[in-house]
Amino acid sequence: GESVGLHLPTLSVQEGDNSIINCAYSNSASDYFIWYKQESGKGPQFIIDIRSNMDKRQGQRVTVLLNKTVKHLSLQIAATQPGDSAVYFCAEIATGGGADGLTFGKGTHLIIQP
Amino acid sequence: DAGVTQSPTHLIKTRGQQVTLRCSPKSGHDTVSWYQQALGQGPQFIFQYYEEEERQRGNFPDRFSGHQFPNYSSELNVNALLLGDSALYLCASSWGQGLGAFFGQGTRLTVV
Repeated sequence: GESVGLHLPTLSVQEGDNSIINCAYSNSASDYFIWYKQESGKGPQFIIDIRSNMDKRQGQRVTVLLNKTVKHLSLQIAATQPGDSAVYFCAEIATGGGADGLTFGKGTHLIIQP
Repeated sequence: DAGVTQSPTHLIKTRGQQVTLRCSPKSGHDTVSWYQQALGQGPQFIFQYYEEEERQRGNFPDRFSGHQFPNYSSELNVNALLLGDSALYLCASSWGQGLGAFFGQGTRLTVV
């Protein structure tokens, strides 16, 4: 079946550098995307979302880019801090069919090097 | 303002037993969704409750059932537990079958 996946299971970056986490999706009906951060032993924490009628959205230190042509989503974290260490998931949903559950990828583990 | 709360936080059950997990949605939210997260994997959608009815269901057997109460809280029941049911069970709430679900801390279920 169609699913959301991430390119890399682990990403290691230096503290202060920018991080880019990538995600590919295959469901062309998906029109809403969310990035979540999950720290060990905790539930996923909403970071930022984007609808398919947009290609970029910015939050505090985070930017999400959506390329519908190649079905690619990315999360950029500026000036990475130790507290950014976590597993990051992208999730997608096709809202046209009514209430649907989110489809998650397997996650990217972001490791911050001091 | 309390977020999504789940109970219990941890639970150990024996294969074949039944378990009930509980969730209270974030204040102002009326929709509750349940997810199963196996170790090292992303959450998988089990089902969603809105207006006390199951609205959508993922690819889970009938052993997984649920309920939503008039105060919007919800229960997840799993019968005839299998070892493979061991996972973190997450509850997420939103408004009006809405998007951008907010998650609770989860219940860690271990089946032995």
